[in-house]
Amino acid sequence: EAQVTQNPRYLITVTGKKLTVTCSQNMNHEYMSWYRQDPGLGLRQIYYSMNVEVTDKGDVPEGYKVSRKEKRNFPLILESPSPNQTSLYFCASSPLLEYNSPLHFGNGTRLTVT
Amino acid sequence: EDQVTQSPEALRLQEGESSSLNCSYTVSGLRGLFWYRQDPGKGPEFLFTLYSAGEEKEKERLKATLTKKESFLHITAPKPEDSATYLCAVQAETGNQFYFGTGTSLTVIP
Repeated sequence: EAQVTQNPRYLITVTGKKLTVTCSQNMNHEYMSWYRQDPGLGLRQIYYSMNVEVTDKGDVPEGYKVSRKEKRNFPLILESPSPNQTSLYFCASSPLLEYNSPLHFGNGTRLTVT
Repeated sequence: EDQVTQSPEALRLQEGESSSLNCSYTVSGLRGLFWYRQDPGKGPEFLFTLYSAGEEKEKERLKATLTKKESFLHITAPKPEDSATYLCAVQAETGNQFYFGTGTSLTVIP
């Protein structure tokens, strides 16, 4: 089944403790992206990647890191999480964007930072 | 600045009561406008892509239309299972980013 898989689904951590949220897609998509979703603010893009070893900042990249060493994986790293990073996070992928392809989303990771 | 605004924020309908959701946008050249459905606790699910003014797409009780400044998602004779949040997103020609609205939360009452 074609899908985007995120892990974990739920994560509770403390301020300053490094964490990684994994994202994997099995559709051979070039484009991958991370979003955070907050009430009243909608989905905001954190980072995106056009292909392996190519990443770019989105609208809210501060406090986050990403890497794209393989086409299928795009982990999101929080080196020193803070309470304002408590949010619902989504990973998404898409085939080459110039063909107006939609994003395919994972089921989300709900992160709480205390 | 690229921007997407959806209205209303929330909508309650009786089963069978048709209505429309609005998505207005400002973007420096539209590459595509996308409609998604999001159920609680799940990721957005793709519904439609629209490319040019005048275009229409249909799927079951849903119909999406596009003008140069806005898109409408028309819901005809809705059922309770249509209850969800509907998201609109635009992709600008100039970049590789998608800009999302804050969504319309639809509740259909039996």
